[in-house]
Amino acid sequence: AQTVTQSQPEMSVQEAETVTLSCTYDTSESDYYLFWYKQPPSRQMILVIRQEAYKQQNATENRFSVNFQKAAKSFSLKISDSQLGDAAMYFCAWSSSNTGKLIFGQGTTLQVKP
Amino acid sequence: DAGVIQSPRHEVTEMGQEVTLRCKPISGHNSLFWYRQTMMRGLELLIYFNNNVPIDDSGMPEDRFSAKMPNASFSTLKIQPSEPRDSAVYFCASSRTGVNSPLHFGNGTRLTVT
Repeated sequence: AQTVTQSQPEMSVQEAETVTLSCTYDTSESDYYLFWYKQPPSRQMILVIRQEAYKQQNATENRFSVNFQKAAKSFSLKISDSQLGDAAMYFCAWSSSNTGKLIFGQGTTLQVKP
Repeated sequence: DAGVIQSPRHEVTEMGQEVTLRCKPISGHNSLFWYRQTMMRGLELLIYFNNNVPIDDSGMPEDRFSAKMPNASFSTLKIQPSEPRDSAVYFCASSRTGVNSPLHFGNGTRLTVT
């Protein structure tokens, strides 16, 4: 069975600084996708960034980038120039390329200090 | 694009009552997922459909829970009878399977069973 682990229940960062959220996963499949979702207090689930497992290049979306280490099964999220609006719970997720169903980690609550 | 639409946004009911949660996926999406979010268990996949057919319901907690998808534009999740431990936020999400499409989530239904 696939599992996703986020070992940091809470993180904090100073506004304008950089923070990295950790995520590891376990799967026996070779073709899959990885995602980071953001959930602000409004509880809406917002896609932040995604990575195809067959791509070696790390995905980037503006201030958000990932460090994808396939052999280590690691998928961390780096937020640069943190903004107050980045404060939320962040979920790492794994998806089978066959089914599309997402398996989520436990989440990391990010606090951004002004 | 109206996004995934869930109703109601909030539901408060008494133990023993029947509860029906509703979801309208994004037009053209052929996969639909029901998730439950609690503080203790995080985001759990309950069931997912592909082309209106239930594919995997192994996450459904017990027989009190049932889900249907009578057509491509509508799905329901029913709890009968409801219990206090069913209190959670229930999310519906949809995607287009097989075309590298991420999940799009609705805003969730917060269920409180007293």
